[in-house]
Amino acid sequence: QVQLQESGPGLVKPSETLSLTCAVSGYSIDSGYYLAWIRQSPGKGLEYIGSIHHSGSTYRNPSLQSRVTISLDTSKNHLSLRLTSVTAADTAVYYCARRGQPGVFNFWGQGTLVAVSS
Amino acid sequence: QSVLTQPPSVSAAPGQNVTISCSGTTSNIGSSYVSWYVQLPGRGPRLLISDDDERPSGIPDRFSVSKSGTSATLGITGLQTGDEADYYCGTWDIRLSVAVFGGGTKLTVL
Repeated sequence: QVQLQESGPGLVKPSETLSLTCAVSGYSIDSGYYLAWIRQSPGKGLEYIGSIHHSGSTYRNPSLQSRVTISLDTSKNHLSLRLTSVTAADTAVYYCARRGQPGVFNFWGQGTLVAVSS
Repeated sequence: QSVLTQPPSVSAAPGQNVTISCSGTTSNIGSSYVSWYVQLPGRGPRLLISDDDERPSGIPDRFSVSKSGTSATLGITGLQTGDEADYYCGTWDIRLSVAVFGGGTKLTVL
């Protein structure tokens, strides 16, 4: 079955770059589905970061666009996220998810908590 | 401030029925599929149901979704204590080209 597993450092210093990986299993990421990053700040709701298709089509939340890079590594079957110049406001649980129809996320990882602190 | 508007909380007794509303605009709910997610305490969200007839295996038909114009509703019949969770609506905004979510509704089964 489809499984997604996020990984990365749990602590990042302010102004540095947050880098996360999502290992995908159960299907090949070049088979046609968009993969996305979504985050949830402590006690808050869900915020879409962006998504990518193996064709190269990419969407990014305008509020984060200048700081976000999303990429795929088809050889490793995984998804990556880079978020530059982080601040405390970027402290959140970061989820990767597979999209079906636009805006419908059928499969989610369990999430990884990233704290931004010196 | 979430793009979609949900009530912060709803409550009902076991066995009763409850609905959770989700309000948006013509550029999101009015133009795209609406999905609902359930999040148990300490867990990640998972898809509950969407109005493109997507219902993951294991989700009972006690859960239903409806949409009218720029609003959507999640219906839950025969409430069980295990239904206590946070529920989020989501959709795609064709003007912003982003996925948008509601702020979440905490369901309490009294």
